[in-house]
Amino acid sequence: AAGVIQSPRHLIKEKRETATLKCYPIPRHDTVYWYQQGPGQDPQFLISFYEKMQSDKGSIPDRFSAQQFSDYHSELNMSSLELGDSALYFCASSSPVGSGGTDTQYFGPGTRLTVL
Amino acid sequence: AQTVTQSQPEMSVQEAETVTLSCTYDTSESDYYLFWYKQPPSRQMILVIRQEAYKQQNATENRFSVNFQKAAKSFSLKISDSQLGDAAMYFCAYRSGSSGNTPLVFGKGTRLSVIA
Repeated sequence: AAGVIQSPRHLIKEKRETATLKCYPIPRHDTVYWYQQGPGQDPQFLISFYEKMQSDKGSIPDRFSAQQFSDYHSELNMSSLELGDSALYFCASSSPVGSGGTDTQYFGPGTRLTVL
Repeated sequence: AQTVTQSQPEMSVQEAETVTLSCTYDTSESDYYLFWYKQPPSRQMILVIRQEAYKQQNATENRFSVNFQKAAKSFSLKISDSQLGDAAMYFCAYRSGSSGNTPLVFGKGTRLSVIA
């Protein structure tokens, strides 16, 4: 079965640079979530999109922005990178119960961002 | 805000034995979902099991089962016939049922070691 695709898998940036992370949800999933997992931490919710509109917002810094496109893929844009942004960034997708889904979030493999 | 507590930072189990991981949560909602996710050394987040709060029957998935005690707000995971591949970090997660696309709230995780 198709899974959530994230690219790139690894990314190394310098402080104050920008980064763009991409997420391709499971086909027919219309909701995308972004989570950040720091070293030794649990995943923390950043932001989500449903049908290309922002759905929920968590602890996402103002330096970060995201959007969902017409093909349902999503991009997380990160500017003025700081050392503390080094983390594993997960994208997850789900399909609502109304369309035959289960609301369960399925995670991609993550993008490991290292800020030097 | 909902919180999820995993009181066991680390657990260990002998191969082929049974182990139970604890999870409690705090919520004032009556409609919600609970999950256990497994994160092996690859860091992939893998869904283990899902429980709807309105269902009294405990969910089971092969060797994995839960003990869902709604009144006590407890949601423990039992792994039977433990295998070396079960070694991983296990996260308990809560999702509000207020809409179909609410984010997950994770506990801090329990690291499970399996001894051959």
